[in-house]
Amino acid sequence: AQTVTQSQPEMSVQEAETVTLSCTYDTSESDYYLFWYKQPPSRQMILVIRQEAYKQQNATENRFSVNFQKAAKSFSLKISDSQLGDAAMYFCAYRSTTTSGTYKYIFGTGTRLKVLA
Amino acid sequence: NAGVTQTPKFQVLKTGQSMTLQCAQDMNHNSMYWYRQDPGMGLRLIYYSASEGTTDKGEVPNGYNVSRLNKREFSLRLESAAPSQTSVYFCASIVAGLSDEQFFGPGTRLTVL
Repeated sequence: AQTVTQSQPEMSVQEAETVTLSCTYDTSESDYYLFWYKQPPSRQMILVIRQEAYKQQNATENRFSVNFQKAAKSFSLKISDSQLGDAAMYFCAYRSTTTSGTYKYIFGTGTRLKVLA
Repeated sequence: NAGVTQTPKFQVLKTGQSMTLQCAQDMNHNSMYWYRQDPGMGLRLIYYSASEGTTDKGEVPNGYNVSRLNKREFSLRLESAAPSQTSVYFCASIVAGLSDEQFFGPGTRLTVL
């Protein structure tokens, strides 16, 4: 069974600085997707970035980028030029395909990011 | 286009009471999911439905039942609520095969006393 591990329960970063959130996963599949979701105090889950396992190029979305190391099963999120609005809980998620033809998502336990002014 | 909606937003139950959490999506998505979120545990999958009329167990199905009567709606029922079911419940949906993104509802905070 697949597992997702986020070993940093909480991180802090100064405004305008860069922070990296870690995520490792375990799987025997070769084709899968990985995601980072942001959950602000409003509780709404917001997709930040996605990575397809067969793509070697790391995904980038504005100030957010990932470092995807497939062999090491590592998927870290880098936030550049941190802003106060980035303060939230961040979840790493793994997507696999089920026998019924749909997807299942496995989430990590989350990292709470604090941004210091 | 409301996306994924959940009712109620908050609920307090006494141990042993029953209730149904409602979820609806207007995006014509095939697959729908129910998760629970607990501090330090992330989101854990309770049940999911690949299509109308089908449901499958997720990671933590005990104590819950689900119903997917049509494509839009996927309900979660607690037959006899227990304090261990105090949690925030999220419904989500996707178009499997066409979309990478899972769309989430706003969540229901349930407290069982």
